[in-house]
Amino acid sequence: SQTIHQWPATLVQPVGSPLSLECTVEGTSNPNLYWYRQAAGRGLQLLFYSVGIGQISSEVPQNLSASRPQDRQFILSSKKLLLSDSGFYLCAWSTDGLAGLYNEQFFGPGTRLTVL
Amino acid sequence: AQSVAQPEDQVNVAEGNPLTVKCTYSVSGNPYLFWYVQYPNRGLQFLLKYITGDNLVKGSYGFEAEFNKSQTSFHLKKPSALVSDSALYFCAVSDHQAGTALIFGKGTTLSVSS
Repeated sequence: SQTIHQWPATLVQPVGSPLSLECTVEGTSNPNLYWYRQAAGRGLQLLFYSVGIGQISSEVPQNLSASRPQDRQFILSSKKLLLSDSGFYLCAWSTDGLAGLYNEQFFGPGTRLTVL
Repeated sequence: AQSVAQPEDQVNVAEGNPLTVKCTYSVSGNPYLFWYVQYPNRGLQFLLKYITGDNLVKGSYGFEAEFNKSQTSFHLKKPSALVSDSALYFCAVSDHQAGTALIFGKGTTLSVSS
């Protein structure tokens, strides 16, 4: 069966510090991968998605970036955090290719980021 | 552009009563619709989806949803609510224009009282 992991579960960082959140998927190959941010317990905002290694599409041109160094690894980064980066970050995966259009996404447990 | 609206921020029902959480959509092309549930500080869990076929879709935990093309709606329903159903519910539509990404509604908090 497939499993998705995210870490850390919680993170408190000062403004201006760097960020690295990691997501890994087990039990599937060539998944589509996604990073979402959820503010104040509502409204998921798609940040990045990836259909393959090194292929990243950005939906939010801010101070965040994403990378996919391996097939089932997705990393969210920032060089300098802003207060507005606080939120609940969710990683998700779906079946690869156009089938992902019809198939549900599976979410990780999330990372609660607080920027002070 | 694809979009999803959940007109109610909160729905309150008594345990044992039927519940409905509303969702309307706007898409160009065929709508691929999903419902997810989120418990506090947890990731989203998939409940059900409509791709094609029967307008009444059955999903996990006794939930079902009715696809209505003329009203562009995809309301989530359950015949008898449980206190444990209390959570945040999201409707989503597949974004044909952004690959396979999902566009989520704002979410509806369901509160079931005993």
